[in-house]
Formats: sequence, C-alpha cells, structure tokens
Amino acid sequence: SQQGEEDPQALSIQEGENATMNCSYKTSINNLQWYRQNSGRGLVHLILIRSNEREKHSGRLRVTLDTSKKSSSLLITASRAADTASYFCATDAGSGGSNYKLTFGKGTLLTVNP
Amino acid sequence: NAGVTQTPKFQVLKTGQSMTLQCAQDMNHEYMSWYRQDPGMGLRLIHYSVGAGITDQGEVPNGYNVSRSTTEDFPLRLLSAAPSQTSVYFCASGGLGIRLSSYGYTFGSGTRLTVV
Repeated sequence: SQQGEEDPQALSIQEGENATMNCSYKTSINNLQWYRQNSGRGLVHLILIRSNEREKHSGRLRVTLDTSKKSSSLLITASRAADTASYFCATDAGSGGSNYKLTFGKGTLLTVNP
Repeated sequence: NAGVTQTPKFQVLKTGQSMTLQCAQDMNHEYMSWYRQDPGMGLRLIHYSVGAGITDQGEVPNGYNVSRSTTEDFPLRLLSAAPSQTSVYFCASGGLGIRLSSYGYTFGSGTRLTVV
C-alpha cells in the first residue's frame, strides 16, 4: 500500500530556480523522510522531520510538515544541474517510536536544465 | 568505510532457480532491510531486521526468506524465482532511536535481477 504520494510526478526547471515537491500521506506518522535517487543508483537520505516538527533546514533544502493536512513539502533553492534526480518521500507510521517500516511514494523526477 | 555493499550487481535467473542476494554493512547498524523497486511503484519493503536473530515481514514478503546471524550481514534468499520477482533490489541499514532520527537509512547501490 502506498502511504506517501509525491506531486508533481515530474518537474523541469532552469538552473538557479527553486524546486518544490509535495508529499501527501494517509495515516498518522512518527516521522517523514526525503531521499534522492540518481539514475541507476541507490537512495541517499536527505532529511528527516519528526511529527512534532513543522520545518527543518539542511543547506539548500527546506522541508515543511503539516500533520493536520497530512502533507509535506521539499524546497530546493538555487537548483543546480547536479540536483537532477528522483526525489522520494517516505513515511514511518510508528506510534511513539519508529516501526521501521518506511513506506515510499512513487517519487518526483526533477530535471534541472543548465 | 564501505557503507552498505550489495552483491551481485546484476543477475539473470531462470524460473524456478534459487539464489541469495548478499548485503553487508560496516557501520554497526542494528537495523537492516530489503526493498524492491519496480517502475511506477516506488520502493516496497520485503523484510527487515532490528538486530541479530530478529527478523520480520514487510509489505511484500512472499517468495523471499531472510536470516540475520550477524550484525553485519542480511542475505535475501529467493526460494523459487518467478518472472514477477524481476526487479531492482535495495538493501538499507540504519541505527535505532536517535541515530535513526539523525541520519535516516543508508542504502546500497542495488541488485538488478531478471527472471526469465
């Protein structure tokens, strides 16, 4: 069962622009994580936001979480061609702590044009 | 520090054959798991483990077996390969508790399996 759903499915922008991806989920969560996957590679962890947090920053990344709307957004500022990748949100639906069963969405394919 | 190492990178099997996908990590992570990634489906959890001797099923466990005899290794066994098991398989590891919250999971580079 797919817990997280990313939107849009694909996004194409110019270098230097900001990219925003959204994730919606269905059940209560312990935390929500964002991962990046370059073509043909494994996933790389970007950022984790707990259910009691509303916003988190890491370098050019900004993640927000709205538990009342069951949604999250990932903002990449000043994008670079190297940011071209698929981005996945993953939810941990454990209560009180992690249940160690991350559920992934289908991903957003981001293309940053030079 | 190699991280998570998966072998082999590519494999072609005939229907009915069995094989073991290997996963090893050198980060002393308690948690290890196997996911499969299919086009348009995202990643789906097959099995996971929170320590040596402890395993549990994920979303799509049928047709796969796991065991965890050491902290470092978490092999995935396909008992009788079927074309529906054609996929890219990823192993992931992570710490528990605060280490998970801080660093998330570390993924291997994947095994591309084709069953004909």
